[in-house]
Amino acid sequence: AQSVTQPDIHITVSEGASLELRCNYSYGATPYLFWYVQSPGQGLQLLLKYFSGDTLVQGIKGFEAEFKRSQSSFNLRKPSVHWSDAAEYFCAVGAGGGSQGNLIFGKGTKLSVKP
Amino acid sequence: DGGITQSPKYLFRKEGQNVTLSCEQNLNHDAMYWYRQDPGQGLRLIYYSQIVNDFQKGDIAEGYSVSREKKESFPLTVTSAQKNPTAFYLCATQQGTGANVLTFGAGSRLTVL
Repeated sequence: AQSVTQPDIHITVSEGASLELRCNYSYGATPYLFWYVQSPGQGLQLLLKYFSGDTLVQGIKGFEAEFKRSQSSFNLRKPSVHWSDAAEYFCAVGAGGGSQGNLIFGKGTKLSVKP
Repeated sequence: DGGITQSPKYLFRKEGQNVTLSCEQNLNHDAMYWYRQDPGQGLRLIYYSQIVNDFQKGDIAEGYSVSREKKESFPLTVTSAQKNPTAFYLCATQQGTGANVLTFGAGSRLTVL
């Protein structure tokens, strides 16, 4: 069965420091991978997605993620965190190629930013 | 502006009452989804619909019902059979079929008193 693991429930970083949020997935075929961000009491916003091609994908707000098939990972990175990045981040995986479009979400990583 | 409108934003319900959460979209997307979010649990799929007049159960459909009479609308009813309905409910849409980007509404928070 498909699954997504985000090992870190809560991460705190200083403003200006680099960030890496981990995501591991379990899926039998080539996955479609997504990172979403959620501010408190709001819906989810797409940061970036990977379908195929270049394994390093760029997203909005200066985020990037790298797909590593050998490690079944899709970690999210940002070189310098801003206070406005404080939010909860969700990794998701889905099947490709015309199958049912349901995405499986990880349980999320909450990011706090210290001034 | 194209988007997804969920209403109400906040809803309080007494035990034993059914409530209906509204989800309306003007994105002309084919598929619509309902997710439930609880702290530390991520998002869990309740129901989804890929076409008008058709919908499928997700992982936690018990105690919920939906309808899809129009492409734009996918209301969710939380029935009295749902034992723990207090949660944040998210509606999402998706263009076409197959895995693709989900676009989310702002959510509805249901509290059972």
